[in-house]
Amino acid sequence: EVHLVESGGGLVQPGGSLRLSCAASGFTFSSYWMSWVRQAPGKGLEWVANIKQDGSGKYYVASVKGRFTISRDNAKNSLYLQMNSLRAEDTAVYYCTREQVGYSSDYSDYWGPGTLVTVSS
Amino acid sequence: QSVLTQPPSMSAAPGQKVTISCSGSSSNIGNNYVSWYQQLPGTAPKLLIYDNNKRPSGIPDRFSGSKSGTSATLGITGLQTGDEADYYCGTWDSSLSAVVFGGGTKLTVL
Repeated sequence: EVHLVESGGGLVQPGGSLRLSCAASGFTFSSYWMSWVRQAPGKGLEWVANIKQDGSGKYYVASVKGRFTISRDNAKNSLYLQMNSLRAEDTAVYYCTREQVGYSSDYSDYWGPGTLVTVSS
Repeated sequence: QSVLTQPPSMSAAPGQKVTISCSGSSSNIGNNYVSWYQQLPGTAPKLLIYDNNKRPSGIPDRFSGSKSGTSATLGITGLQTGDEADYYCGTWDSSLSAVVFGGGTKLTVL
């Protein structure tokens, strides 16, 4: 059974940094694209970034480019999101997802329960 | 302002059918497959439909998807109170090089 569990969320001041982690199990982690999707309180879903199986390809939503870095460690079955220069508008629940990427197809078939990041002074 | 447009809310009676629309453009829905997600209150989203009209294992055939041009539709028949949730459409946007979602539709079954 596929399991994704996020950790590392919490309260951070504006301008600060935080590193999120996602522990994956139940599937061959190194065979899948992975992504982060966030949801601000009471708002809709926003895709943040994804990373190719071997880490050679990464894509980001415009609002986080240059501030967030997605990475993975296939030996540890783990996905990461390094978040720098955090802003109040980054406050959200961050979900780790397994992403199915094909020709003209891109969707998240498994989601973790999420971890809350609050950016506030 | 989401790239994909969905009605903010819809309601229907138990046993009835509802269709939720998702409108986009040629850079997203028009040239890429659409997926749909269900988010029950207080939980993570769950994949309902992928590649326009395919259902993952375990998703009942009461849920269906279709696409025409730059719009997609999620259909739910035989509505149950347990279907009360937020529903999101999503797809890849070739111009943005990013996954984009609709703003979500809150479905009330009353």
